Amino acid sequence: SAVISQKPSRDICQRGTSLTIQCQVDSQVTMMFWYRQQPGQSLTLIATANQGSEATYESGFVIDKFPISRPNLTFSTLTVSNMSPEDSSIYLCSVEVGDYEQYFGPGTRLTVT
Amino acid sequence: GENVEQHPSTLSVQEGDSAVIKCTYSDSASNYFPWYKQELGKGPQLIIDIRSNVGEKKDQRIAVTLNKTAKHFSLHITETQPEDSAVYFCPPSHEDTGFQKLVFGTGTRLLVSP
Repeated sequence: SAVISQKPSRDICQRGTSLTIQCQVDSQVTMMFWYRQQPGQSLTLIATANQGSEATYESGFVIDKFPISRPNLTFSTLTVSNMSPEDSSIYLCSVEVGDYEQYFGPGTRLTVT
Repeated sequence: GENVEQHPSTLSVQEGDSAVIKCTYSDSASNYFPWYKQELGKGPQLIIDIRSNVGEKKDQRIAVTLNKTAKHFSLHITETQPEDSAVYFCPPSHEDTGFQKLVFGTGTRLLVSP
């Protein structure tokens, strides 16, 4: 398994601003993922962050809106840019460990006013 | 793409009863079948998983069964406890350019009453 922490745990931001979410894992992992979960809803994959390469984005998500950094094997950041109230969600990072298992962080609850 | 459905969407049981949640999927390429438990305010927690070459797996009070022919897998919880109350997700996965891509359904809310 893996222990994952995220910062901040929650934030309230004004529209038009940007927020950077940090994800730290306690062991070196190749694959990290960023998900969005709107309140009471399912999880949607935003992008996959492989260390040493550009992030790969899912349909409907673009780099200009959700830039991702992956500077090393234990850390990644997701920035939510030029925020609007529709960006209010829980943002979760996860890592793939061993064969197929994905472990999730506690999430960052974002409210945009 | 993958289509995942969970039934029921909400399940209420008395403490000590058994609970069964069924997950159906559409992509025959799916080869890994995990179950996640998400408590309020927390991230999803992997509680049990099964690979496509296995029909059943058990871990104490929880078990998962897989029917690849019918494209469904189920979570079985025996002797339920109030601490089992949570939302459960079943994202089947398949390899997608070097990683296992999880596809989440809408979840099942389990409520265990004392």
